[in-house]
Amino acid sequence: AQSVTQPDIHITVSEGASLELRCNYSYGATPYLFWYVQSPGQGLQLLLKYFSGDTLVQGIKGFEAEFKRSQSSFNLRKPSVHWSDAAEYFCAVDSNYQLIWGAGTKLIIKP
Amino acid sequence: SQTIHQWPATLVQPVGSPLSLECTVEGTSNPNLYWYRQAAGRGLQLLFYSVGIGQISSEVPQNLSASRPQDRQFILSSKKLLLSDSGFYLCAWRVDMNTEAFFGQGTRLTVV
Repeated sequence: AQSVTQPDIHITVSEGASLELRCNYSYGATPYLFWYVQSPGQGLQLLLKYFSGDTLVQGIKGFEAEFKRSQSSFNLRKPSVHWSDAAEYFCAVDSNYQLIWGAGTKLIIKP
Repeated sequence: SQTIHQWPATLVQPVGSPLSLECTVEGTSNPNLYWYRQAAGRGLQLLFYSVGIGQISSEVPQNLSASRPQDRQFILSSKKLLLSDSGFYLCAWRVDMNTEAFFGQGTRLTVV
């Protein structure tokens, strides 16, 4: 069965530091992958998506993600985080009419 | 452009009372529609999805139900709420499979 694993429940980084959030998926075919961000009490906003082509995809708010088929990973990165990036981040893989979601990673920013 | 409306934003209901949450999408036709629930500090649990009017797929059997009376309207209901129904409910839509989902702003439901 398809699944998505986000191994880090919480991550704390200092403002201005680089960030990498991990996502591993289990999917038999070529995956369609997504990263979403959720601020407290809000809906989810799409950061970026991978469907095919270039394995390094750029998203909004300065985020990027790299698809690595050999590692079944789609990690999210940002070179320098801002306090406004504090939120929860979700990775998802498309599975027919559904999206299979990771449990989320809460990002905490230290001043 | 497409927009999704979900209401109410917050709701406090007594145990045993009925529930009706509404979600509408504008600017698209025949969207795939979804209801998710998010418990505190947890991920998204898919409750229902619909690929067309009157077509509802249930992922989690419980005392909730969903209906799609119109192409762009998706309603989440319950006849009698339980304490365990408290949570954050999110509506979402997609053009089709293999596309991204767009989310409403969510409804915070507290059952007391």
